[in-house]
Amino acid sequence: VQMVESGGGLVQPGRSLRLSCAASGFIFDDHALHWVRQAPGRGLEWVSVITWNGGRIAYADSVKGRFIVSRDNARNSLFLEMNSLRPDDTALYFCVRDRSGYYGDLDYWGRGTLVTVSS
Amino acid sequence: QSLLTQPPSASGTPGQRVIISCSGGSSNIGSNTVNWYQQFPGTAPKVVISTNSQRPSGVPGRFSGSKSGTSASLAISGLQSEDEADYYCAAWDDNLNGLVFGGGTKLTV
Repeated sequence: VQMVESGGGLVQPGRSLRLSCAASGFIFDDHALHWVRQAPGRGLEWVSVITWNGGRIAYADSVKGRFIVSRDNARNSLFLEMNSLRPDDTALYFCVRDRSGYYGDLDYWGRGTLVTVSS
Repeated sequence: QSLLTQPPSASGTPGQRVIISCSGGSSNIGSNTVNWYQQFPGTAPKVVISTNSQRPSGVPGRFSGSKSGTSASLAISGLQSEDEADYYCAAWDDNLNGLVFGGGTKLTV
């Protein structure tokens, strides 16, 4: 199983960025997927989850209304569209597989992609 | 401030047993299962305990987990220097409709 994030970088406050996660080694549409982030020197913060078919989605209050999660099962890919970015969105963003459902039984993690929001 | 409370630090000597606590509430630990994650500096977290007490394949038997009411704990027996890492508990919260993590515990061996 591999989860490989991409799309991070330096972006100005108020701008947008789209993260991608390419997954392999498992049946992609058998699993819900999560985004989890970690600000420099801080703890883990859950961001969002999407079920196998996109029928159920949830967001942390801190990103609700600004971030949009989606997936393309044909391409084994997960996405995170981040809008109206703020400096406190600066973090390493991990793409994570849910082992058994939707409720955060996380097993495989990517290495993360770094997002820096700064002017 | 996280809904799940962990001590910021813990320590032990090689061979000792250390317990890391995670205190939550009725909407998270009280209603859902708890996972524990180990993270070394500069690397992605790794699950060491899932579903309160299940040890994934490859995780040493000295790691164990338990849950009672609105609290959970991770125990590491026969402590080894390689266990020095940050440890996070996590559980789904029904009120928030989201996953919540504890603030993390830095274990020093």
